[in-house]
Amino acid sequence: ELKVEQNPLFLSMQEGKNYTIYCNYSTTSDRLYWYRQDPGKSLESLFVLLSNGAVKQEGRLMASLDTKARLSTLHITAAVHDLSATYFCAGPPSAGGSEKLVFGKGTKLTVNP
Amino acid sequence: NAGVMQNPRHLVRRRGQEARLRCSPVKGHSHVYWYRQLPEEGLKFMVYLQKENIIDESGMPKERFSAEFPKEGPSILRIQQVVRGDSAAYFCASSLIDNEQFFGPGTRLTVL
Repeated sequence: ELKVEQNPLFLSMQEGKNYTIYCNYSTTSDRLYWYRQDPGKSLESLFVLLSNGAVKQEGRLMASLDTKARLSTLHITAAVHDLSATYFCAGPPSAGGSEKLVFGKGTKLTVNP
Repeated sequence: NAGVMQNPRHLVRRRGQEARLRCSPVKGHSHVYWYRQLPEEGLKFMVYLQKENIIDESGMPKERFSAEFPKEGPSILRIQQVVRGDSAAYFCASSLIDNEQFFGPGTRLTVL
């Protein structure tokens, strides 16, 4: 059974700073997803990482996937208040399938002015 | 271009009542997934359905919970005889085969 562990679970940072959220997973999953959730809202898809070495960037967020290390990272550059949200990584339980996603517990990010 | 639709968005039930949650997938998507989110936690998979078939219900409690995705109409998650522990946000997602899942706005169930 796939286990997905995120750290940190809580992150408070100042505007303008950089930080990285880590997502470790336990199986041979070949794809990894990052989602953003605002309080009381649904999940917004941020990145779909489909292969080893994949790197994607959108604005101040950059995500990468290392399937050999079973690690994905979400890097935040020069944080702004609007990035305050909870970020989840998720993956299928095994390579080649998209049935059911296993989610990490989420990283609650607060960006302070 | 409607995304995944869920209704109701908020549902209040008393203990022992039934809750019915509906999900209409993205047009053309034939795969539907239900997840449950407890406060301050990640989403937990419940069930995966295709039209008229339950493919994987490994995350569904054995009693009181059932799901369907009929040939016509929305997918339904049904919870009988609700208890306080069923209070949660229930999210539906849909996808094309082997593709990214898109999530609906969720139904927030409160059991009094």
